[in-house]
Amino acid sequence: DAMVIQNPRYQVTQFGKPVTLSCSQTLNHNVMYWYQQKSSQAPKLLFHYYDKDFNNEADTPDNFQSRRPNTSFCFLDIRSPGLGDAAMYLCATSGLEGGRNEQFFGPGTRLTVL
Amino acid sequence: GNSVTQMEGPVTLSEEAFLTINCTYTATGYPSLFWYVQYPGEGLQLLLKATKADDKGSNKGFEATYRKETTSFHLEKGSVQVSDSAVYFCALAWVGQFYFGTGTSLTVIP
Repeated sequence: DAMVIQNPRYQVTQFGKPVTLSCSQTLNHNVMYWYQQKSSQAPKLLFHYYDKDFNNEADTPDNFQSRRPNTSFCFLDIRSPGLGDAAMYLCATSGLEGGRNEQFFGPGTRLTVL
Repeated sequence: GNSVTQMEGPVTLSEEAFLTINCTYTATGYPSLFWYVQYPGEGLQLLLKATKADDKGSNKGFEATYRKETTSFHLEKGSVQVSDSAVYFCALAWVGQFYFGTGTSLTVIP
């Protein structure tokens, strides 16, 4: 089945220690998104890629970076995690930027910062 | 601008009760509308969608109708089950932007 995969499902890191979360997709979608979600709040968009074009949300902290080496993979790097960065991180894909299509979500990575 | 306003939770229902979760939207154009469901510890799953006025989305006994005149997309189910306990998000998509409601937590008790 075509899907969005996130690894790991659970990640524990220490305060200030860099961490990378990964996302892969078999849907061959052009657009990939990273969201941060806290305590069953609505997901908050961090950034998205249309192909290799990177689009950062204005209020995304500089501490968050992303890489998309190819269509299938996208990474979220948190350079110096703080306690406030503990959250669920969701990756999503969509077939067309600028459209009205649904987004397909992965299962999420739960990040704990000690 | 574009936004989604969703009924506040939490909602607690007995099994087999009727469910309505209200959702209204503001949009500058003609968005697509969605309901997503999130089970504990999981990502969001698309429950149903509608892409134009008067469309009815349906899945797993849930329904929602895209009402342009009232700018609404209320979620309904005739008889809820314990397994429907989850958080439900209403969302709209327009020119590549996604807007989520705040989510409504539903608990169904036997």
